[in-house]
Amino acid sequence: QVHLQQSGPGLVKPSQTLSLTCAISGDSVSTNSVAWNWIRQSPSRGLEWLGRTYYRSEWINEYAISVKSRITINPDTSKNQFSLLLYSVTPEDTAVYYCARWFHDPGWFDHWGQGALVTVSS
Amino acid sequence: QSVLTQPPSASGTPGQRVTISCSGSSSNIGTKTVSWYQQFPGAAPKVLIYSNNQRPSGVPDRISGSKSGTSASLAISGLQSVDEADYYCAAWDNSLNGVVFGGGTKLTVL
Repeated sequence: QVHLQQSGPGLVKPSQTLSLTCAISGDSVSTNSVAWNWIRQSPSRGLEWLGRTYYRSEWINEYAISVKSRITINPDTSKNQFSLLLYSVTPEDTAVYYCARWFHDPGWFDHWGQGALVTVSS
Repeated sequence: QSVLTQPPSASGTPGQRVTISCSGSSSNIGTKTVSWYQQFPGAAPKVLIYSNNQRPSGVPDRISGSKSGTSASLAISGLQSVDEADYYCAAWDNSLNGVVFGGGTKLTVL
C-alpha cells in the first residue's frame, strides 16, 4: 500500500524559502507510470496544483504558471522522497500543502499525503 | 477563480439523489478525463471517481460520474449523512500544462 508522509516547518518568514518533503513508502519515486505532485489549499485560492516531478528515462519537472518563477520540485532517489522549495514567500502562500501521486493513465490523484499547514508570517 | 466551475453548494435529504456539476473547456474536460474527490474537514481529499466514471475499490456504487462534452457530473444516490463533505472535480489542462481543479461544492444533508 502506498503511503506518503509529509514533513517540514509550519512557519516561514516572508521573503524566505518554504521547504517540504514527502517520503514515499510502497512505491518508488522512479516508477514510470506515475508523477509526484505538490498541491496547496487555501480559502482564497481553493485547491491549487503547484507542480510535479516524474521519471521517463530522465527526470521531468512541470510547474504551474502561477509559481513557475519561484518553485523547485526535486526527487531524491536515495531516500525515496521528493521535495518542494518555494522561494520568496509572502503571506499569500499561507496554505495547507499536500503531496500526492498522480497515476498517469488515465490521470488521477490516487494517493495523498496527510497535509501540512504552512503559515507565512514574521 | 477556479478554471473548472462548480456550484458552491448542494443539498439533499437522506435517500435522495444529488448531482454536482463541473464545467470546463476544450483544453481540459473536453479532451481529458475527469476525476472527483471528497474531502472532510481537516483531511486530505480522497478520490471517488477517475477516468470520468470509474470507481476505485471501496467506493460504493451509489456514487457515479459522467462526462459530456466540456462538462462532467458527480451523482450520489441514496444520500446519507456521511456524504456531507466538500467535493472537487479535477482534470489535466493542455493549455495550462497542469492539473486544474473546480472551486468545490459543499454538500449538506438536510
